[in-house]
Amino acid sequence: DSGVTQTPKHLITATGQRVTLRCSPRSGDLSVYWYQQSLDQGLQFLIQYYNGEERAKGNILERFSAQQFPDLHSELNLSSLELGDSALYFCASSPRAGSPDTQYFGPGTRLTVL
Amino acid sequence: AQSVTQLDSQVPVFEEAPVELRCNYSSSVSVYLFWYVQYPNQGLQLLLKYLSGSTLVKGINGFEAEFNKSQTSFHLRKPSVHISDTAEYFCAVSEGNTPLVFGKGTRLSVIA
Repeated sequence: DSGVTQTPKHLITATGQRVTLRCSPRSGDLSVYWYQQSLDQGLQFLIQYYNGEERAKGNILERFSAQQFPDLHSELNLSSLELGDSALYFCASSPRAGSPDTQYFGPGTRLTVL
Repeated sequence: AQSVTQLDSQVPVFEEAPVELRCNYSSSVSVYLFWYVQYPNQGLQLLLKYLSGSTLVKGINGFEAEFNKSQTSFHLRKPSVHISDTAEYFCAVSEGNTPLVFGKGTRLSVIA
């Protein structure tokens, strides 16, 4: 158990819908990262927050957005969903903002868009 | 831009045999290198990382990796694998404060 929790574990929805994925980092970690894992694209970095502020942005679509709240939990919002958004979405956390820190991954949310 | 190539998508190996999972990276500056493991239906877990210093890095579960700057490689090795090592292994690189860039992964299958 990494100490990072993600809810829900599974999500099935229809095209055009909007969903919210939730992540609670390890106690004391200030950085939260979101990743998308799919068969064709592999593991892709989406976005990083550090202590409530956006720190780095990766291959995140404009239909997707995220935020980190004062209690440090984070939410990833996916809207106007398409079939191709079906994937595993991982959240990871680390103590600080820099990449030498080990990232601790949650168990993931499996999103299926029908 | 940084990139990572994991040369083998699948590696089958018999139990108690040695294994090497290959990873090459491209970067124009100094890098940090990582190996993560993903067991079925789980998130990723850090095996080991190279930040600086000794080029031979030892990790958990008997794994080790060697950083070779001239070959831009960071291959992962284990002298004797167990059934429980069956998993997907990901190599990742970072150039400091940049986000991790992951390879496509290598699926290690240990055969009894």
